[in-house]
Amino acid sequence: DIQMTQSPSSLSASVGDRVTITCQASQDISNYLNWYQQKPGKAPKLLIYDASNLETGVPSRFSGSGSGTDFTFTISSLQPEDIATYYCQQYDNLPPVLTFGGGTKVEIK
Amino acid sequence: QLQLQESGPGLVKPSETLSLTCTVSGGSISSSSYYWGWIRQPPGKGLEWIGSIYYSGSTYYNPSLKSRVTISVDTSKNQFSLKLSSVTAADTAVYYCYTEGDSPWGQGTLVTVSS
Repeated sequence: DIQMTQSPSSLSASVGDRVTITCQASQDISNYLNWYQQKPGKAPKLLIYDASNLETGVPSRFSGSGSGTDFTFTISSLQPEDIATYYCQQYDNLPPVLTFGGGTKVEIK
Repeated sequence: QLQLQESGPGLVKPSETLSLTCTVSGGSISSSSYYWGWIRQPPGKGLEWIGSIYYSGSTYYNPSLKSRVTISVDTSKNQFSLKLSSVTAADTAVYYCYTEGDSPWGQGTLVTVSS
């Protein structure tokens, strides 16, 4: 089974700061990686798909990169509305299995 | 985009079977070559994939839950369902239904296991 190691588990940053979250897969997953944002009491929302593609309507300050086993999620300029927990998610289509990272809680300093 | 909505009891007794239904709108569950699935999130914890089912009926389950999980599709009602047997307090969670692609997940439903 593929394991996803996400770090850090939490971070505190100031408005306007650049924030980076990493996710490492236990084996090569190509670019089969998504990034989700979850605000309290809400379902996770897809931000980035296939490692680096911005979902329609998502602000351009969010970006993703990487392939193989190492992936990065970046918020270029942290905004107050970005306070949330972020998850990476690996997916296979054959079979359709999902694996999540442990999550990163982002707070404002 | 498809819309998904979970429904089912919010309280289940220990050792009983948890049953949830996800109703799909905005498209037919049988005409889409998608897979349909369930994810859960215990209070204050991370996300756990439970399993998925293809429109053809093929199912795939998380190995840690496989012995207790059944996912099925009811094309006549445009719904798919989750059954989790022999529940314990550790199964208390928000349960989300989802589908392949960029359609939003269901809003989630909290199921508490308690006597």
